[in-house]
Amino acid sequence: GENVEQHPSTLSVQEGDSAVIKCTYSDSASNYFPWYKQELGKRPQLIIDIRSNVGEKKDQRIAVTLNKTAKHFSLHITETQPEDSAVYFCAASRRNSGNTPLVFGKGTRLSVIA
Amino acid sequence: GAVVSQHPSRVICKSGTSVKIECRSLDFQATTMFWYRQFPKQSLMLMATSNEGSKATYEQGVEKDKFLINHASLTLSTLTVTSAHPEDSSFYICSAEDRLKADAEAFFGQGTRLTVV
Repeated sequence: GENVEQHPSTLSVQEGDSAVIKCTYSDSASNYFPWYKQELGKRPQLIIDIRSNVGEKKDQRIAVTLNKTAKHFSLHITETQPEDSAVYFCAASRRNSGNTPLVFGKGTRLSVIA
Repeated sequence: GAVVSQHPSRVICKSGTSVKIECRSLDFQATTMFWYRQFPKQSLMLMATSNEGSKATYEQGVEKDKFLINHASLTLSTLTVTSAHPEDSSFYICSAEDRLKADAEAFFGQGTRLTVV
């Protein structure tokens, strides 16, 4: 089955700086890679996702890159703000050919210091 | 966007009792729902895949007789924790997808914090 590794487990950045979180996956058939933000005691919220037919996707201050050959994908947050502080999870699954459940990385606790 | 509603949000029960958690898709049909468990400061771990009209598929190490799943309709799945013990205390979250959409996003319920005393 799929195995997703995520690094780092914790990340502290100064407000305004960029944050990068990296994930690798093992199943070459995985083609859907979402990123979730989870605040304490709340449900995960989708912040961006990417499918295997593209290499990069951007939404305002958030971007995700995907390298299918190396089986890794990364989340980039620019101009970080204190409200970006949360736990971020990457995930991987298959779509369109027998959907599989999301397999999550272990999470990254991001702290943005004002 | 699509909404998934999960109830209750918090529950405290005594050891040995059973607790039922409901997961509803409010504006779409979900032939498949997923149940996750999240321990403090840890990731979401898939427990089981709930299939409408058929038996659930459990992940390795998850006891099917302890975590009963019923998916009787296209909009409702229930997870019952039977004979609960303190080690079952955790955050349980369901997710559902609109299977009519090929590129469906997974939507999560609010989660249920279960405390067994």
